[in-house]
Amino acid sequence: AQKVTQAQTEISVVEKEDVTLDCVYETRDTTYYLFWYKQPPSGELVFLIRRNSFDEQNEISGRYSWNFQKSTSSFNFTITASQVVDSAVYFCALSEVGSGGGADGLTFGKGTHLIIQP
Amino acid sequence: NAGVTQTPKFRILKIGQSMTLQCAQDMNHNYMYWYRQDPGMGLKLIYYSVGAGITDKGEVPNGYNVSRSTTEDFPLRLELAAPSQTSVYFCASRGATEAFFGQGTRLTVV
Repeated sequence: AQKVTQAQTEISVVEKEDVTLDCVYETRDTTYYLFWYKQPPSGELVFLIRRNSFDEQNEISGRYSWNFQKSTSSFNFTITASQVVDSAVYFCALSEVGSGGGADGLTFGKGTHLIIQP
Repeated sequence: NAGVTQTPKFRILKIGQSMTLQCAQDMNHNYMYWYRQDPGMGLKLIYYSVGAGITDKGEVPNGYNVSRSTTEDFPLRLELAAPSQTSVYFCASRGATEAFFGQGTRLTVV
């Protein structure tokens, strides 16, 4: 069965610091997708990134970057020069492709509550 | 595009009452999902659908029912509300590259 672990329940940093959110996953499939979502205090889920299991290239989008390492089953998320607006709960999620279970629904980690102090 | 629309946004139910959470998407997606989010937890899959007329149970289906008569709509029904169903409910539809989520429904059962 698939599983996503976000060991950091809450992280608090001062604005402008860099911060890394960890995500470790378990799956038996060789083909899968990994996601990160942001949930701000308003409650909606905001899509940040999707990465397939065959693409291990790191990705950078502005102040956000993602490090995917199949060898350690990790998909970590780093925010550089954090800002107060980055305060939110961040979820890592996994979707197996074609496994027949849950119709490729997402399995979520429990989330990391990131607090950026001014 | 409206994306995924959920109604209502908030609801308080008494134990034993029933209600339907509405979900509609305008992206012509076949795959749709219902999740619940409890405090400090991630989202857990309740039910899903791979197309009109086809639904199946997810991880936590007990106490819920769904139907999918059209591609657009995927309502979730609570027949006999219980305090354990107090949660935030999210509907989602799946496109080629990402899952689109509704704004959520905050349900309290008292």
